[in-house]
Amino acid sequence: KAGVTQTPRYLIKTRGQQVTLSCSPISGHRSVSWYQQTPGQGLQFLFEYFSETQRNKGNFPGRFSGRQFSNSRSEMNVSTLELGDSALYLCASSLGDTNTEAFFGQGTRLTVV
Amino acid sequence: QKEVEQDPGPLSVPEGAIVSLNCTYSNSAFQYFMWYRQYSRKGPELLMYTYSSGNKEDGRFTAQVDKSSKYISLFIRDSQPSDSATYLCAMKKGGSYIPTFGRGTSLIVHP
Repeated sequence: KAGVTQTPRYLIKTRGQQVTLSCSPISGHRSVSWYQQTPGQGLQFLFEYFSETQRNKGNFPGRFSGRQFSNSRSEMNVSTLELGDSALYLCASSLGDTNTEAFFGQGTRLTVV
Repeated sequence: QKEVEQDPGPLSVPEGAIVSLNCTYSNSAFQYFMWYRQYSRKGPELLMYTYSSGNKEDGRFTAQVDKSSKYISLFIRDSQPSDSATYLCAMKKGGSYIPTFGRGTSLIVHP
């Protein structure tokens, strides 16, 4: 059974640019959650999508957005990048019933210069 | 004060030691308690979860929840160098889809 796939693994972007990250969940999983991980703040919740709808949202500015497609694949977009957006972005895949069992991808390491 | 507190470590132990990793929390509504292991440059991996209070054992790992003290623990018996990683606790209210994570404890098991 394939795991959660995140692409790309690494990205270097310039301040002001925008970026799109992709997450393919485990087959049959309908929930995808996105997290930002930094040494200073740990894992912070961005948003969760279930059946193509944003079901939950964390406390991040509107520059962070996402969407989910009918095959449950999800993308997140960050516009007008800032230096502070440099982080490991993780997505987690769950069945969507309780999300107690969540399976993470390897993450996308974003560096903003 | 954060909802979930976890000592970042690092915690350094010799191979074969019993390791105790802990988290405290402030929200009494938390009902699900999870432990994740994260190796360097990898995503977190779910080790185990418990519902409400009590113990749960899986091989060398035992998770313990004390709701009266708002304190959870993960014990690792016969620790191995391959256990060296960051361990994150996470907690979730019943009916919520989103867990709250601790900052993680870095564990180093030296041969």
